[in-house]
Amino acid sequence: DAMVIQNPRYQVTQFGKPVTLSCSQTLNHNVMYWYQQKSSQAPKLLFHYYDKDFNNEADTPDNFQSRRPNTSFCFLDIRSPGLGDTAMYLCATSRASGGYNEQFFGPGTRLTVL
Amino acid sequence: DQQVKQNSPSLSVQEGRISILNCDYTNSMFDYFLWYKKYPAEGPTFLISISSIKDKNEDGRFTVFLNKSAKHLSLHIVPSQPGDSAVYFCAASARTSYGKLTFGQGTILTVHP
Repeated sequence: DAMVIQNPRYQVTQFGKPVTLSCSQTLNHNVMYWYQQKSSQAPKLLFHYYDKDFNNEADTPDNFQSRRPNTSFCFLDIRSPGLGDTAMYLCATSRASGGYNEQFFGPGTRLTVL
Repeated sequence: DQQVKQNSPSLSVQEGRISILNCDYTNSMFDYFLWYKKYPAEGPTFLISISSIKDKNEDGRFTVFLNKSAKHLSLHIVPSQPGDSAVYFCAASARTSYGKLTFGQGTILTVHP
């Protein structure tokens, strides 16, 4: 089955210790998104890739970076995690940018910063 | 500034009855609206959508209604089933925004047998 896979599902890190979250997809979609969802809040878009073009949301902290080495994989790097970065991180893909295309989500990585 | 709001954090319904989940938005540029369903330990899954050129879209037990003048949409589930118990997110998109989705906070639906 075509799908969006996120690893790890759970990650615990220490304050200030860099962490990388991984997303892969078998849907061959050209757009990949990273969302942050804090407890009882709406998922919030951090950035997205349209093919290799990176698009950062204006309010995404500089602490958050992303890499997309190929169509299938996308990484979220948090350079110096703070306690406030504890959240669920969701990866999503869609077929094209713009227009009306539903996004397909992975199961998420729950990150805890101690 | 929350552009998409789901004002009811939770809703409890008896099996077989209608569930109505509501969503309000403020950005008049939004022209496409989606509902996602999320079970614990899973990512959101697409449920149903509606374009701003329509006021109703139906898919089986699920119907979404859009009132553009009121900037309001609702999801009706009839009849509700215990398996429908999940968190429901409303999301909105503008054609000019590269497919970016703006989500509401979600409503926890519990359907009691």
